[in-house]
Amino acid sequence: QQPVQSPQAVILREGEDAVINCSSSKALYSVHWYRQKHGEAPVFLMILLKGGEQKGHDKISASFNEKKQQSSLYLTASQLSYSGTYFCGTRGSGNTGKLIFGQGTTLQVKP
Amino acid sequence: DGGITQSPKYLFRKEGQNVTLSCEQNLNHDAMYWYRQDPGQGLRLIYYSQIVNDFQKGDIAEGYSVSREKKESFPLTVTSAQKNPTAFYLCASSILIDLNTEAFFGQGTRLTVV
Repeated sequence: QQPVQSPQAVILREGEDAVINCSSSKALYSVHWYRQKHGEAPVFLMILLKGGEQKGHDKISASFNEKKQQSSLYLTASQLSYSGTYFCGTRGSGNTGKLIFGQGTTLQVKP
Repeated sequence: DGGITQSPKYLFRKEGQNVTLSCEQNLNHDAMYWYRQDPGQGLRLIYYSQIVNDFQKGDIAEGYSVSREKKESFPLTVTSAQKNPTAFYLCASSILIDLNTEAFFGQGTRLTVV
């Protein structure tokens, strides 16, 4: 079952902040975050692991609440280049190779 | 350069015909994935494979088939049984031993069935 992202879409002005949420009905082993520009491949941003370890982009932060099976991506002082669709991906607690993604959150940053 | 290559970028087919999408990677990754992308529905998993000659169904496998005869190749066939095949298809790969690493995506194939 796909993780659920919220909100579905966000419109910001440059310099504003945004939070994108991802929740799952199943126990999670890790949460991945990707950004996709229109017509392009998704690009890796960050991985969050059980126990609090984070790996990824140094200008984007995220949190992972294992008990609540939720993750949030924090975009601060947004730039025009942040525009795109953000996806969270999850691996289940069985630590398998299966990787499923949410429906995406579209972020538009305006000048 | 290492990477994952999908071909072709655009594909047109007549309704009722089977079509095969290519995905090749030279990253020496064990795991490979196929996703379908439709507006508002995100990336939905079609099939994935963790090892040569083995693969598992994802959430929307009906109407699709795959093979994994070589580690570097994971072609996807869209069969005539797929009721609405027009979509953007993405292939990805990742290291399996260390699941704490990211998936790498190809540039995608946009399939249009007329």
